[in-house]
Amino acid sequence: EAGVAQSPRYKIIEKRQSVAFWCNPISGHATLYWYQQILGQGPKLLIQFQNNGVVDDSQLPKDRFSAERLKGVDSTLKIQPAKLEDSAVYLCASSLYRETGELFFGEGSRLTVL
Amino acid sequence: GIQVEQSPPDLILQEGANSTLRCNFSDSVNNLQWFHQNPWGQLINLFYIPSGTKQNGRLSATTVATERYSLLYISSSQTTDSGVYFCAVVSYNTDKLIFGTGTRLQVFP
Repeated sequence: EAGVAQSPRYKIIEKRQSVAFWCNPISGHATLYWYQQILGQGPKLLIQFQNNGVVDDSQLPKDRFSAERLKGVDSTLKIQPAKLEDSAVYLCASSLYRETGELFFGEGSRLTVL
Repeated sequence: GIQVEQSPPDLILQEGANSTLRCNFSDSVNNLQWFHQNPWGQLINLFYIPSGTKQNGRLSATTVATERYSLLYISSSQTTDSGVYFCAVVSYNTDKLIFGTGTRLQVFP
């Protein structure tokens, strides 16, 4: 069974530029999550989808971050314009069930903002 | 919201030693997972264990949900066990997986 796929693995941009990350969850997983992990900290949830609907985006900085999950499968996370403090690893995860499902993570996309 | 504290924050071991990592949480949970984050940043699932005990090779985990803690045991540690260990929980009041503070493990030959 294929795992969670993410791309790109690495991205370096200058502040005020834009960037987009892509995630393809495990087949059949209805719930998809985007986490942000700053160096030295645990992952922090940014947004959670159930199929193509948003369940929780309370910690998403909506002035610069946006995410969508069209057709309830793939998802894209965009940052525009990027700030220095957005330098982090962006992790995508998926699970079969929302509350009790085991989460599986992709390898992450490492963003450096200069 | 729920608080998830892990101890110790850092652990240094010599190869072959055993260790116990602890995760305390402040509310009832219906989902608890242990992850190992390797030096390349990949989060590897170790256990899905909202209650009870599980074993997988040299690793085992126990969650006592009524007392709001979970333990991860690593026996005969190897250098490849190095990295950060996270527990993460979903409380009954929310369906967000919240990560603990992590334990950084270094195993030396």
